[in-house]
Amino acid sequence: AQSVSQHNHHVILSEAASLELGCNYSYGGTVNLFWYVQYPGQHLQLLLKYFSGDPLVKGIKGFEAEFIKSKFSFNLRKPSVQWSDTAEYFCAVIRNSGNTPLVFGKGTRLSVIA
Amino acid sequence: GAGVSQSPSNKVTEKGKDVELRCDPISGHTALYWYRQSLGQGLEFLIYFQGNSAPDKSGLPSDRFSAERTGGSVSTLTIQRTQQEDSAVYLCASSSSGGYNSPLHFGNGTRLTVT
Repeated sequence: AQSVSQHNHHVILSEAASLELGCNYSYGGTVNLFWYVQYPGQHLQLLLKYFSGDPLVKGIKGFEAEFIKSKFSFNLRKPSVQWSDTAEYFCAVIRNSGNTPLVFGKGTRLSVIA
Repeated sequence: GAGVSQSPSNKVTEKGKDVELRCDPISGHTALYWYRQSLGQGLEFLIYFQGNSAPDKSGLPSDRFSAERTGGSVSTLTIQRTQQEDSAVYLCASSSSGGYNSPLHFGNGTRLTVT
């Protein structure tokens, strides 16, 4: 079964700092990739997704992620974070073949301080 | 429109008791997932229903856990003989496909506390 690794458990940044959250997955076949976000007190929601095509995908609120197949990575980036980006971020992977479940990483908690 | 609804929102139970958690997915969504979210463990996959296919139960942590989905809609997750380590937030999500090429829509979860 595929697995997802998020290497940063908790990231603390000042406003306007740049963000990069790592995500690696283990499956060698074709996958669809996602980042979900959970703001404090809210339910999980989709931030961005990659299915095919341009490996640099843009999501909501200025976030982007780059799929690097050779590194099995799908890192999330934002050039300048805001206090409102404080949340927990989850990377998720699903195989692009077969009836298999969507698997999430353990999440990275981002705290943005003024 | 109506989202994924979970009940109860909070459940406190004594160790050894059985609990049932309910999920009402978005109407028309064929895929339904249960996940468990606990501190430091992220989102742990439990079980996945897709249409009329046999559910993928590979994530259930023990035989005390079971789930069913009646009529392709409402799902119930049952935990028998609860243990303290079962304490977590149990999240349900639904999707118009399997989450393969459409996003999952999550409920607000049921916070289970086993005392």
